[in-house]
Amino acid sequence: DAKTTQPNSMESNEEEPVHLPCNHSTISGTDYIHWYRQLPSQGPEYVIHGLTSNVNNRMASLAIAEDRKSSTLILHRATLRDAAVYYCILIDAGGTSYGKLTFGQGTILTVHP
Amino acid sequence: NAGVTQTPKFRILKIGQSMTLQCTQDMNHNYMYWYRQDPGMGLKLIYYSVGAGITDKGEVPNGYNVSRSTTEDFPLRLELAAPSQTSVYFCASSRPGAGSITEAFFGQGTRLTVV
Repeated sequence: DAKTTQPNSMESNEEEPVHLPCNHSTISGTDYIHWYRQLPSQGPEYVIHGLTSNVNNRMASLAIAEDRKSSTLILHRATLRDAAVYYCILIDAGGTSYGKLTFGQGTILTVHP
Repeated sequence: NAGVTQTPKFRILKIGQSMTLQCTQDMNHNYMYWYRQDPGMGLKLIYYSVGAGITDKGEVPNGYNVSRSTTEDFPLRLELAAPSQTSVYFCASSRPGAGSITEAFFGQGTRLTVV
């Protein structure tokens, strides 16, 4: 399975943009890039996913490098509620592990008032 | 809209006891998952299922069993509880979409303590 590498922790100030990086140098052509986050004492929640093109939704934007070996989750204006652990995950759209969803260690995001 | 429902929310087991963690979803999702999360750590996949009657091992399956007889339910069985199984357990579901899976929905978790 292709692996992802994320910084252990990052800090931001409220109302500033946050760029959360993820490296996935061994990504395959059929791997989708998914992001989840886990707020304190809750189950994870979906944030965004994409394959090649940049993606936007109401929560965040996902910028994917042209070679797909890295991606960045962008929170446009951080709020205190965005303090969470953010997970970057590769999901294989083909092969025998189709549908398998595994989590790494993630990035702990701290947001300062 | 209930989503993914886990029961119980809390449970204390004695070493060697057995129990079943229940998980049900009302979204007609094909895929279901069980995870455990130890304090301060990330989620580890125990088992997952891509449809009724089909299950597969995840990263940490030892000490657990699953079955998937219906689309809605995916129970997790602990046969001989050990202190190492003290953890928070999360169930999730999703469905196929656009070559990958759609967003996964998670339950609120079951906090299990084995003493």
